[in-house]
Amino acid sequence: GENVEQHPSTLSVQEGDSAVIKCTYSDSASNYFPWYKQELGKRPQLIIDIRSNVGEKKDQRIAVTLNKTAKHFSLHITETQPEDSAVYFCACSNFGNEKLTFGTGTRLTIIP
Amino acid sequence: GAVVSQHPSWVICKSGTSVKIECRSLDFQATTMFWYRQFPKQSLMLMATSNEGSKATYEQGVEKDKFLINHASLTLSTLTVTSAHPEDSSFYICSARGGGFEQYFGPGTRLTVT
Repeated sequence: GENVEQHPSTLSVQEGDSAVIKCTYSDSASNYFPWYKQELGKRPQLIIDIRSNVGEKKDQRIAVTLNKTAKHFSLHITETQPEDSAVYFCACSNFGNEKLTFGTGTRLTIIP
Repeated sequence: GAVVSQHPSWVICKSGTSVKIECRSLDFQATTMFWYRQFPKQSLMLMATSNEGSKATYEQGVEKDKFLINHASLTLSTLTVTSAHPEDSSFYICSARGGGFEQYFGPGTRLTVT
């Protein structure tokens, strides 16, 4: 089955700086790559997603890049703010089998 | 946007009893629903996938006789933890999917077994 690795596990960034989280996956058939933000005790919230026919997608301060050849994708958060502090999960799926496989998570702390 | 609810939000039960958790899609029909379990400081682990009107598909290592899943309608799926034990204490989260890629997550249910 699919295996997703996520790095780093923890990341501390000065407010205003950028944060980058990287994931690699194993199944070349995966074609959907969402990123979720989860605050303590709450549901995962989709913050951005990308499909395999696109190499990059941006939404204000958040961007995701995808390299299908290398089988890795990254989350970029610019101009970080204290409210960006949370745990971030990458995930991927193959539309054909529907289920999401999650990465291990990155605890992002923004230092004021 | 698509909304998924879960009930209860938290539950405490005694060892050996059963607990039922409901997952509802409020404003869309969910062709597929998923059940995840999340232990503290860990990732979401898929337990099972359920499609309306058919048997759930369980992930490897998940006991189907212990975690009973019923998906009786396009808006409701239930997870019953039978004969719960302290090691079943966890955060259980459902998600629902309509016709597209995106999964919409419920708010989660925190189960504590004493």
